[in-house]
Amino acid sequence: EPEVTQTPSHQVTQMGQEVILRCVPISNHLYFYWYRQILGQKVEFLVSFYNNEISEKSEIFDDQFSVERPDGSNFTLKIRSTKLEDSAMYFCASRNPGQGGGEQYFGPGTRLTVT
Amino acid sequence: AQKITQTQPGMFVQEKEAVTLDCTYDTSDPSYGLFWYKQPSSGEMIFLIYQGSYDQQNATEGRYSLNFQKARKSANLVISASQLGDSAMYFCAMRGQAGNQFYFGTGTSLTVIP
Repeated sequence: EPEVTQTPSHQVTQMGQEVILRCVPISNHLYFYWYRQILGQKVEFLVSFYNNEISEKSEIFDDQFSVERPDGSNFTLKIRSTKLEDSAMYFCASRNPGQGGGEQYFGPGTRLTVT
Repeated sequence: AQKITQTQPGMFVQEKEAVTLDCTYDTSDPSYGLFWYKQPSSGEMIFLIYQGSYDQQNATEGRYSLNFQKARKSANLVISASQLGDSAMYFCAMRGQAGNQFYFGTGTSLTVIP
């Protein structure tokens, strides 16, 4: 069964450093998302991406964040200058609008720890 | 604005019993989707079940069913015949008419007792 994959599973970085979180969405999906979940809290939307551009973003997704689909399979989230409060689990998700109810399929997440 | 409320931070159920996890929502969109996800301790988010706002019948997927009461704006998840592997966090989520982002509730931690 196809699944969303994410690398790395855990990333430790120092405050102020840049990190790139990588995702490979399900191959025939057209919409891609990033969410984050601070430990013990609910999942929060960051950004959605369709047709090679951002279709929606939340207030959390400020200028330090960017997304890219550098090729036909990868979808990346870059955090330019990490802050302590960026420590969270980051989930990538994808969906196929023609499938079921448009449910989003999530990757296993990348745990980002900023020290 | 869309809002999802899960009022049960923690629930316990005896193995083989049924349990209901509550979810209420608020939206002004005429068309929307409601979803439940399971998050085990390993952290991944697993899609369980979907209910469309115009669906006449409650959704079912194996041991999972969704008790959808549109007038009350509730979409409770019912797990029948609980198993030890059902112990996890459960999140209710909603997709609005625009169809982009999901809005999640704060989750319910379910513990199945042997």
